[in-house]
Amino acid sequence: EAGVTQFPSHSVIEKGQTVTLRCDPISGHDNLYWYRRVMGKEIKFLLHFVKESKQDESGMPNNRFLAERTGGTYSTLKVQPAELEDSGVYFCASSQLAGADTQYFGPGTRLTVL
Amino acid sequence: QKEVEQDPGPLSVPEGAIVSLNCTYSNSAFQYFMWYRQYSRKGPELLMYTYSSGNKEDGRFTAQVDKSSKYISLFIRDSQPSDSATYLCAMKTSGSARQLTFGSGTQLTVLP
Repeated sequence: EAGVTQFPSHSVIEKGQTVTLRCDPISGHDNLYWYRRVMGKEIKFLLHFVKESKQDESGMPNNRFLAERTGGTYSTLKVQPAELEDSGVYFCASSQLAGADTQYFGPGTRLTVL
Repeated sequence: QKEVEQDPGPLSVPEGAIVSLNCTYSNSAFQYFMWYRQYSRKGPELLMYTYSSGNKEDGRFTAQVDKSSKYISLFIRDSQPSDSATYLCAMKTSGSARQLTFGSGTQLTVLP
């Protein structure tokens, strides 16, 4: 069974540009989460989808971040316009709707904003 | 004050040693406790998942939870060089919010 996949693995952009990160969850996982780790800090929650609906977006830092999950499959996280402090590693995780909600993480996208 | 405190290390031990990794937390609403292992340039990989006070064992790994002291531990017996990684504790509440709250991670190196 394929795990959570993320694309790209690394993105380098200039301040003010737009970047879109993609996450493909494990097949059949209705829960999808975005987290990020900025330099020197712990991994922090951004938001949670159940199927195509945003269940909890309390961790989204500001309105420059837009997450979508059309059709309840893959998800995208767009940052527009990117700022220097957005640099970090963005992780996606997925879990089944029922049960212990064990979250399986992808390898992350390393975002560098210059 | 952070909700979850974890000693960042780095921690370096000889092969075969017993490793003890610890986290403390301040939010008494946390009910589920996890340990993740993260190799360099990879995503966190779930090692242990517990939801009650006491010990849970899986091979060379033992997770310990003490809710009264708000303290959790991960013990690694007979440590191997392949155990070298960053270990992250994570926790969540029992309510509708499913977000994980992570510690900052402890970097472990097991020397051959």
